[in-house]
Amino acid sequence: GDSVTQMEGPVTLSEEAFLTINCTYTATGYPSLFWYVQYPGEGLQLLLKATKADDKGSNKGFEATYRKETTSFHLEKGSVQVSDSAVYFCALKDNNDMRFGAGTRLTVKP
Amino acid sequence: NAGVTQTPKFQVLKTGQSMTLQCAQDMNHEYMSWYRQDPGMGLRLIHYSVGAGITDQGEVPNGYNVSRSTTEDFPLRLLSAAPSQTSVYFCASSKGQELQETQYFGPGTRLLVL
Repeated sequence: GDSVTQMEGPVTLSEEAFLTINCTYTATGYPSLFWYVQYPGEGLQLLLKATKADDKGSNKGFEATYRKETTSFHLEKGSVQVSDSAVYFCALKDNNDMRFGAGTRLTVKP
Repeated sequence: NAGVTQTPKFQVLKTGQSMTLQCAQDMNHEYMSWYRQDPGMGLRLIHYSVGAGITDQGEVPNGYNVSRSTTEDFPLRLLSAAPSQTSVYFCASSKGQELQETQYFGPGTRLLVL
C-alpha cells in the first residue's frame, strides 16, 4: 500500500539556519503531497501542498517540490525562526486514502 | 466560523467501557475523517465519510464505529475500550474528496484507557 517515510527527529537548529526535512513516498497512483505542521497542544495545519509532478508548494518561507522521479517531497526553509518550532508531517492523498509520515520535531534555538 | 470542534478534550476510560468522541464542523464540508496519532507513527486513518449517510473504513478501523446522519457531525464510537486505544484522536474535514483538497483538523481528544 501507499506509505510515507520522513527523516527521524528531533532536529535542533539555531535561528537563521537552513532547514531540510526529507520525505519520500510510495504510491500506486498519482497522489497529492502535503506538509502539515503541528504546534504544541494543537491539531495539524496545512503548511503547503503540491498536486502534480514538478509542482512547488510554498508558504511562510517554506518550500517543497514534488519530484516524481525520486518520489520525494523534501521540505526546506532558508532561515528558520524560533516560532517555527513544531512537529512537521509529510502526507500523501491517493483516492480516499491519506497517509502520514511519523513526524519530525523541529526545535529552533535563539 | 468555529471550524472543526471536538469534545471532550481529554477522557479516561476503564477497559470495556464505551464512549463517543464528538466531532462537528460548520464549513459545510462533505468529507470528514477520524485519525489516531501515536508516538512515532504519525496519523493513521480510522474511518472516513464522503457525505451524509456514507461511511467507509480507513487503515485501522477495528474497535471503532462511525455514523454520519448530518453533514455537520461525525461521531466516533468505541464500543468496548481497550488499552491499545489509548491515543490522541483527531477529526478532520475537507470540502470534497478530491486529491488536492486541504483537510482542516480539530484540536484533538486525548484518550487514556486503563
